[in-house]
Amino acid sequence: DQQVKQNSPSLSVQEGRISILNCDYTNSMFDYFLWYKKYPAEGPTFLISISSIKDKNEDGRFTVFLNKSAKHLSLHIVPSQPGDSAVYFCAARGSNYKLTFGKGTLLTVNP
Amino acid sequence: EADIYQTPRYLVIGTGKKITLECSQTMGHDKMYWYQQDPGMELHLIHYSYGVNSTEKGDLSSESTVSRIRTEHFPLTLESARPSHTSQYLCASSDRSGPTDTQYFGPGTRLTVL
Repeated sequence: DQQVKQNSPSLSVQEGRISILNCDYTNSMFDYFLWYKKYPAEGPTFLISISSIKDKNEDGRFTVFLNKSAKHLSLHIVPSQPGDSAVYFCAARGSNYKLTFGKGTLLTVNP
Repeated sequence: EADIYQTPRYLVIGTGKKITLECSQTMGHDKMYWYQQDPGMELHLIHYSYGVNSTEKGDLSSESTVSRIRTEHFPLTLESARPSHTSQYLCASSDRSGPTDTQYFGPGTRLTVL
């Protein structure tokens, strides 16, 4: 039973356009959500997070939106750059501060 | 930038061998974690530690064991490697005193058991 779902395995976007990565969750007890970026053969790199008491958090080109009633969050990257091409993981924090991860979405930004 | 290190980065080994994957962090974080990830799949927590002499099993059952004798060091051991252990192993740490408790990851060890 997957508690964090990233339903799009891949996404292709043109350079300069907006990339929108989506994530759905089922556990209403999750209190914190994080996005990580992962290049092949490297560990995940923390990007941005949001508390469950907020609906938006922005850091430079990255903005995360949280819709608690829909149990949905999204990561917006604007403008997208070729260096953003990577796998993006959504993660949710539950009891004992443990993280539950989605399967990731492969973002490809075309020049 | 997080300072967390893993060695080796890649390991190819025969069935039945004993292996230890090293993980060290220089941030003084009290929490450390081991995840296992297969291609195209989510990260699964296999072990975690909240401090020295504290270790717990994660959500995914694993035949590996861990120890936490020093704050900065959290090695993972497989007594007898099998092909089913082939995977990427990722170590992470976080600071309990921080408000967000964000986990920072090492570069990972890609293990292949023949």
